[in-house]
Amino acid sequence: DTGVSQDPRHKITKRGQNVTFRCDPISEHNRLYWYRQTLGQGPEFLTYFQNEAQLEKSRLLSDRFSAERPKGSFSTLEIQRTEQGDSAMYLCASSSLGPNQPQHFGDGTRLSIL
Amino acid sequence: AQTVTQSQPEMSVQEAETVTLSCTYDTSESDYYLFWYKQPPSRQMILVIRQEAYKQQNATENRFSVNFQKAAKSFSLKISDSQLGDAAMYFCACYSGTYKYIFGTGTRLKVLA
Repeated sequence: DTGVSQDPRHKITKRGQNVTFRCDPISEHNRLYWYRQTLGQGPEFLTYFQNEAQLEKSRLLSDRFSAERPKGSFSTLEIQRTEQGDSAMYLCASSSLGPNQPQHFGDGTRLSIL
Repeated sequence: AQTVTQSQPEMSVQEAETVTLSCTYDTSESDYYLFWYKQPPSRQMILVIRQEAYKQQNATENRFSVNFQKAAKSFSLKISDSQLGDAAMYFCACYSGTYKYIFGTGTRLKVLA
C-alpha cells in the first residue's frame, strides 16, 4: 500500500492558462474522488469515479473543469482558462467499494494563480 | 440538501486532558455514515473514527470516541489523554447514498504542553 499520490505538489500559473493534475490512487481502490479545499474550509466535493465511470459531478464545477480516469487507474483533473478563484488545494482520495469504507487522501496539489 | 456544521473554529486543550469537538449534520437519508478526519499541518488527511447511523453504540478507537445523538443529529468527537501529536484540523463528514462526502469547515485543535 503505497498510498494515494498526487502530482505536482504545487502549481503556479498565470491566469488564463490551462493546468492538469494527476492522481494515482491505491491500486485496488475502485472509487476515486476529487475535492477542492480553500483556506479555512473543509474539502468541497468536485467529482467521483467508480472505476472508469464518472458517476457524479458537482454543480459547482464549471465547464472549465474536466476529469478523467482512463481504464479505472490514475485520474487527471484539468482546469482550462484558469481564474483567480481557482486558487486552492486540490485533493484526491480513493476508497474501496462500500459506504463505510474510509477515504485515503493524497497530499494534494496546491494551485496558485498569478 | 446535506449539510455538516462545525461551530468551533478553534479549540485548545492541555496535554493529557480531554477535549470534545462538536459536529451537527442534516440529511434526508435514512442510511448514512459519519466520519471524523484529522488533517495535520501540511500532511495528509487521515481517518480518525467512523460511525454507521444504524448502530446505536458509539464508536471508539483507542483514545478517540464519539457521542452520536441521532435524534439531535449530533456527532461529537472526544479525545482523551490529549497528546501533542493530536494537534491538527479535524473535519466531520457525512456520507449518504449520493456517493458524496460532505465535510464541515473544520476545527483547529491546539494541544498545550
